Amino acid sequence: EAGVAQSPRYKIIEKRQSVAFWCNPISGHATLYWYQQILGQGPKLLIQFQNNGVVDDSQLPKDRFSAERLKGVDSTLKIQPAKLEDSAVYLCASSHRGLASGNTGELFFGEGSRLTVL
Amino acid sequence: DQQVKQNSPSLSVQEGRISILNCDYTNSMFDYFLWYKKYPAEGPTFLISISSIKDKNEDGRFTVFLNKSAKHLSLHIVPSQPGDSAVYFCAAYGRGTSYGKLTFGQGTILTVHP
Repeated sequence: EAGVAQSPRYKIIEKRQSVAFWCNPISGHATLYWYQQILGQGPKLLIQFQNNGVVDDSQLPKDRFSAERLKGVDSTLKIQPAKLEDSAVYLCASSHRGLASGNTGELFFGEGSRLTVL
Repeated sequence: DQQVKQNSPSLSVQEGRISILNCDYTNSMFDYFLWYKKYPAEGPTFLISISSIKDKNEDGRFTVFLNKSAKHLSLHIVPSQPGDSAVYFCAAYGRGTSYGKLTFGQGTILTVHP
């Protein structure tokens, strides 16, 4: 079974430029997550999709970050314009269902996209 | 507001000995707890979990203990192996909500010396 695919693996941009990250979840997984992991910190949830609908985007800086999941499969996370503090690893994860009662909470993560903003 | 805390940034252990990683949480709505393991340049991978109705869960060399009254959990690795060297994240969520949100701790870097 193929895992969660993410691209690009690495990206270096100047502040105020834009960047986009792509994620292809595990086939059949309805729930997709984008996490931001700043160096020395744990992953922080940015946005969660159930199929192609947003379930939680409370921690997404909506003035500069946007995400979509067209057709309930692939997803794109965009940052425009980027700031220095956006330097982080952006992790995409998927699960068969959301973390509702009865689920184990196991998320399957991709390798991440490391963003450096200069 | 750090709802899940791992107060030890790093831990160094000799091969064959026990590794104990600790985690504290503040949100009483959390009722499911997980440990993830992360190697450099890879995404986190699920290791072991425990429900709040239990106080212990074992899987091979890995055991997670939960003390609900103290809002504390720990991961024991016995015996520790060099391949266990990685960053370990504690995570938690409340299953009572519709979809829940997995909240992670800051991570502990475990180094197992041969």
